[in-house]
Amino acid sequence: DAKTTQPTSMDCAEGRAANLPCNHSTISGNEYVYWYRQIHSQGPQYIIHGLKNNETNEMASLIITEDRKSSTLILPHATLRDTAVYYCIVIDSNYKLTFGKGTLLTVNP
Amino acid sequence: EAQVTQNPRYLITVTGKKLTVTCSQNMNHEYMSWYRQDPGLGLRQIYYSMNVEVTDKGDVPEGYKVSRKEKRNFPLILESPSPNQTSLYFCASRGLMNTEAFFGQGTRLTVV
Repeated sequence: DAKTTQPTSMDCAEGRAANLPCNHSTISGNEYVYWYRQIHSQGPQYIIHGLKNNETNEMASLIITEDRKSSTLILPHATLRDTAVYYCIVIDSNYKLTFGKGTLLTVNP
Repeated sequence: EAQVTQNPRYLITVTGKKLTVTCSQNMNHEYMSWYRQDPGLGLRQIYYSMNVEVTDKGDVPEGYKVSRKEKRNFPLILESPSPNQTSLYFCASRGLMNTEAFFGQGTRLTVV
């Protein structure tokens, strides 16, 4: 599976959009980009995933560049409860989720 | 409600005393896996199962066993726990197509 690179930490003001980048320059054509988050020591929670096109759901939007070498997770109106570690994961059909260190997003009041 | 249930949530045990952490899912998922999470090392996969009676090693399988006799259950067995298995454990399940994985709430294990 392709490796991902994320910033170690980011801050965001409450109510503002949080934009979390992820670099996956070695991604191959059949690999999906998944985002999960982990709040404190709870189980990781699925956020969104995509292959080529941008995706949006009730939690977030996922923007994938045309060359698919990077993506951005957007939380449109961050709240204090969005403070968490966010993981960007690239997987193919082997189903295994390999977690990196992720980005610690801190939402400030 | 779709969920993965782990038990117990917290466990303190002594070295060498066999224990089992149970994991059950209600989504008819084929794929199940176990992870452990340690400070500075992140989430690492211990074992996984693609379906009933099909299990395989993940990245850190030493000291652990699993079984998959029914689709919904995937217990993690520590035959002779040691202090280096003190960790936070998560069970996860997902379907075989590109779908989301569901994680349990975690089991915090301390081996003294």
